Amino acid sequence: SQQGEEDPQALSIQEGENATMNCSYKTSINNLQWYRQNSGRGLVHLILIRSNEREKHSGRLRVTLDTSKKSSSLLITASRAADTASYFCATDAFRSGSEKLVFGKGTKLTVNP
Amino acid sequence: ETGVTQTPRHLVMGMTNKKSLKCEQHLGHNAMYWYKQSAKKPLELMFVYSLEERVENNSVPSRFSPECPNSSHLFLHLHTLQPEDSALYLCASSQDPVSEQYFGPGTRLTVT
Repeated sequence: SQQGEEDPQALSIQEGENATMNCSYKTSINNLQWYRQNSGRGLVHLILIRSNEREKHSGRLRVTLDTSKKSSSLLITASRAADTASYFCATDAFRSGSEKLVFGKGTKLTVNP
Repeated sequence: ETGVTQTPRHLVMGMTNKKSLKCEQHLGHNAMYWYKQSAKKPLELMFVYSLEERVENNSVPSRFSPECPNSSHLFLHLHTLQPEDSALYLCASSQDPVSEQYFGPGTRLTVT
């Protein structure tokens, strides 16, 4: 079953607005990561938040983590057309005898100029 | 630039061809990965190498054969592929299996 699932699947906003994406997961984690992917390119790591952290900032990005609800959110403030991309959360999971990162299906964000 | 390069960027091959994808990382990382990304599907982890040893093989068909000759290089050898294997193949590296991963730009593979 999917460890991390992003919500919504797609989001369309106007430039300057804030964008919020959510990620829910099922099992206990040590950390949760967010990545961005521009169309047809590789993923780019944005931010890592550890299980003992509640909030983390990086530039216009704000990530929160609620381990009691097993959920995280990524907020992009003052969005720009260049923020148009797919955003993925990834959680560490112990499966099949090894630890690994498990990625969700992603949220496709479109920022209209 | 993420420090992870992949070649070729695009590849079209017939079902009877043999080709190889190459990945190189310049970050001094200990773990390297192959992922498959198909349209409307989650990112699928195919293989994991840690310290040049394969530690994960996610039930990938034998027509995909990975090779990790050293900690900086990773190959994916392809033979007798099927059209459903057409996808974006991404290579990544990290310091360890749960640290942040650095991805290459991917190889867009089309099997005809």
